[in-house]
Amino acid sequence: DQQVKQNSPSLSVQEGRISILNCDYTNSMFDYFLWYKKYPAEGPTFLISISSIKDKNEDGRFTVFLNKSAKHLSLHIVPSQPGDSAVYFCAASGRSGGGADGLTFGKGTHLIIQP
Amino acid sequence: EPEVTQTPSHQVTQMGQEVILRCVPISNHLYFYWYRQILGQKVEFLVSFYNNEISEKSEIFDDQFSVERPDGSNFTLKIRSTKLEDSAMYFCASSEAGLAGDPFTDTQYFGPGTRLTVL
Repeated sequence: DQQVKQNSPSLSVQEGRISILNCDYTNSMFDYFLWYKKYPAEGPTFLISISSIKDKNEDGRFTVFLNKSAKHLSLHIVPSQPGDSAVYFCAASGRSGGGADGLTFGKGTHLIIQP
Repeated sequence: EPEVTQTPSHQVTQMGQEVILRCVPISNHLYFYWYRQILGQKVEFLVSFYNNEISEKSEIFDDQFSVERPDGSNFTLKIRSTKLEDSAMYFCASSEAGLAGDPFTDTQYFGPGTRLTVL
């Protein structure tokens, strides 16, 4: 049961170009979305998040877009840099009536920035 | 910059043994979490903990697992009678969420993980 889907296992982008990572979700109860970056042998590192009341959030080179009607979000990185090479995870959470929900993660997209 | 720390980085155990994985969350954080990632699979939520009790838990978090905050700084995950399929990376996370915070929007910060190998 994949409630959060990242359909591209890998993506190769030339340095300086825009990287676009996509994520789809099926659970309409999700109302908060996050992107994490992960290097081998390290834990996920928070990048950027967006609440369902917004359709765009920007932080430096990173912008997340949310299309609620399509249940789709994307992460744009521009310009892409060699240090951006990592696995990127989309994650989502929703209200369950009490306490903090755990995040539901996608399988990740391995972004490779080519020099 | 404050960070979540986890010990040990790698734990090897025999099937049927008990293991305790340790985490030190960020000091002013109030919500604590455990996740796991089996090799080649996605990160999966196990449990969240707030105010000295379990807040939410997933189907994975059965009676084999328990969590505890034994003192003011540590947060532990105990796995009783380990099985081969418990082999995974286990990540601890914490989030700030205070009285004025919203646990659903506070960012979860992850530790580097403990690689558990069950032989």
